Amino acid sequence: QKEVEQDPGPLSVPEGAIVSLNCTYSNSAFQYFMWYRQYSRKGPELLMYTYSSGNKEDGRFTAQVDKSSKYISLFIRDSQPSDSATYLCAMTSNQGGKLIFGQGTELSVKP
Amino acid sequence: GAVVSQHPSWVICKSGTSVKIECRSLDFQATTMFWYRQFPKQSLMLMATSNEGSKATYEQGVEKDKFLINHASLTLSTLTVTSAHPEDSSFYICSAKSGLAGDGNEQFFGPGTRLTVL
Repeated sequence: QKEVEQDPGPLSVPEGAIVSLNCTYSNSAFQYFMWYRQYSRKGPELLMYTYSSGNKEDGRFTAQVDKSSKYISLFIRDSQPSDSATYLCAMTSNQGGKLIFGQGTELSVKP
Repeated sequence: GAVVSQHPSWVICKSGTSVKIECRSLDFQATTMFWYRQFPKQSLMLMATSNEGSKATYEQGVEKDKFLINHASLTLSTLTVTSAHPEDSSFYICSAKSGLAGDGNEQFFGPGTRLTVL
């Protein structure tokens, strides 16, 4: 069993839709949770960074962490074609620790 | 946000040759840099962690004599793939973190280097 599981998709939605991306994990020691966006043939770009359980909102993006269920989510509101990319969740147990990545979910937003 | 650059962005080499990839933090001092490789449609796999001025720590299964890492300054780390073979063809990505208190310990990623070994 992988430490972090993420549905690879691909996920295709119409422009304006609400997108829900999810990851589950098995290591209860994880405390820091991140979502990265990666365009084709580019390096990952940090979107959201959260510590422990709770919600965090930044513009059209909302990150949720439920440590009791070992489940994290990223919601994208009013999705745009420019949101088309691969979204990777990542997590670590301590500051500066090794990041464990999910497989990444490929998202396509159709105009 | 913090900027990390990589050079070259794309390299093609013959089997048996060595290739050096540079990773630079442009606007901050990186006490720690990480090297990842990524195969098509797969996630990032950590290869090694390097701290400035000390030897790199390699992940299990990564040959340290094949993937030489040097972190000689607070803004530069290099990865040298020695005696490259076609199976080394991959997307190599570095990341850097400053380690300063209060910075969130975020890792900032470079744009990646695509290596193709013929």
